[in-house]
Amino acid sequence: DSGVTQTPKHLITATGQRVTLRCSPRSGDLSVYWYQQSLDQGLQFLIQYYNGEERAKGNILERFSAQQFPDLHSELNLSSLELGDSALYFCASSGTSGNTIYFGEGSWLTVV
Amino acid sequence: EDQVTQSPEALRLQEGESSSLNCSYTVSGLRGLFWYRQDPGKGPEFLFTLYSAGEEKEKERLKATLTKKESFLHITAPKPEDSATYLCAVQVLYGGSQGNLIFGKGTKLSVKP
Repeated sequence: DSGVTQTPKHLITATGQRVTLRCSPRSGDLSVYWYQQSLDQGLQFLIQYYNGEERAKGNILERFSAQQFPDLHSELNLSSLELGDSALYFCASSGTSGNTIYFGEGSWLTVV
Repeated sequence: EDQVTQSPEALRLQEGESSSLNCSYTVSGLRGLFWYRQDPGKGPEFLFTLYSAGEEKEKERLKATLTKKESFLHITAPKPEDSATYLCAVQVLYGGSQGNLIFGKGTKLSVKP
């Protein structure tokens, strides 16, 4: 158990809909990262937050957004969903140094 | 462009047959190189972080090494429970993805009894 908690574990939704994925980082970790894993692309970095502030952005679509709350949990919002958004979405967290980055078990999103 | 390439894509070993996985990288500035193990449908499990050429780290049957252009994950006398996908990632110093991980596509290891 990495200590990073993600909900929901599985989600099936229709095209055009909006979903929210939730992440609770390891106790004491201030950084939260979101990654997308699809069969053909591998693990792709989406966005990072540090203590509530956006720190870095990767290949995140404009239809996607995220935030980190004062209690350090984070949410990834996916809107106007398309079939190609079906993937595993991982949250990860790290301490200040970023020397170890631990991943949650992921949220499996299926868009039908 | 920062890039990570892992080889081979898949590797089949007999139990006890030692081997190595390769991770080559091209980055503007390397902060660290990470190795993870991933089982199907699960999150990546952290194994090691290496920071400088010549550094080595060990955990049970696994040993990771780092040079200026590549890293190796050596598996000594593997067991069937070592079967998984092994992911390599670089943590970059510069650019929009600074501090974050750029992953290779992984090596799928199968160990037969």
